[in-house]
Amino acid sequence: AAGVIQSPRHLIKEKRETATLKCYPIPRHDTVYWYQQGPGQDPQFLISFYEKMQSDKGSIPDRFSAQQFSDYHSELNMSSLELGDSALYFCASSLEDRGYNEQFFGPGTRLTVL
Amino acid sequence: KQEVTQIPAALSVPEGENLVLNCSFTDSAIYNLQWFRQDPGKGLTSLLLIQSSQREQTSGRLNASLDKSSGRSTLYIAASQPGDSATYLCAVRLANTDKLIFGTGTRLQVFP
Repeated sequence: AAGVIQSPRHLIKEKRETATLKCYPIPRHDTVYWYQQGPGQDPQFLISFYEKMQSDKGSIPDRFSAQQFSDYHSELNMSSLELGDSALYFCASSLEDRGYNEQFFGPGTRLTVL
Repeated sequence: KQEVTQIPAALSVPEGENLVLNCSFTDSAIYNLQWFRQDPGKGLTSLLLIQSSQREQTSGRLNASLDKSSGRSTLYIAASQPGDSATYLCAVRLANTDKLIFGTGTRLQVFP
């Protein structure tokens, strides 16, 4: 079965640079979620989109922005990167419309900020 | 504020044992609860989803129960195998939100 696809899988950036993470949800899923997992920590919710509109917002820094496109893929844009942004970034998707709200996670993008 | 706690934090058992992992949450107004497994440095694999109206869900050797009123869920793993070694996370979703709030995790090691 198709899973959530994230790219790139690994990313190394310098401080103050910009990064873009991409997420391709499971086909026919209408909702995308972004989570950040720091070293030794549990995942923290950043933001979600339902049918291309922002649905919920968590502890996402103002330096980060995200959107969901017409083909339902999503991108997380991160600017003015800081050392503390080094983490594993997960995208998840679900089919909310029919009440099948189980969130399926992708393999993650490991971001390292030097 | 919803807080999710998992006990024990770590568990090491011989192969074949039946296990119970515990998850507790402070706000009973949940929409659903999911159990995940995470291998080191890897993604989260969804194991079971329990809706707030349900009492339990089963998948193979796994059985998860939910007692919303007491703020508790348990994950029962039957006949544990070395391949079950991973960190197990429970996560709750409150009503009218999208976000999952994760517990602290139980690191399980099953040795041959």
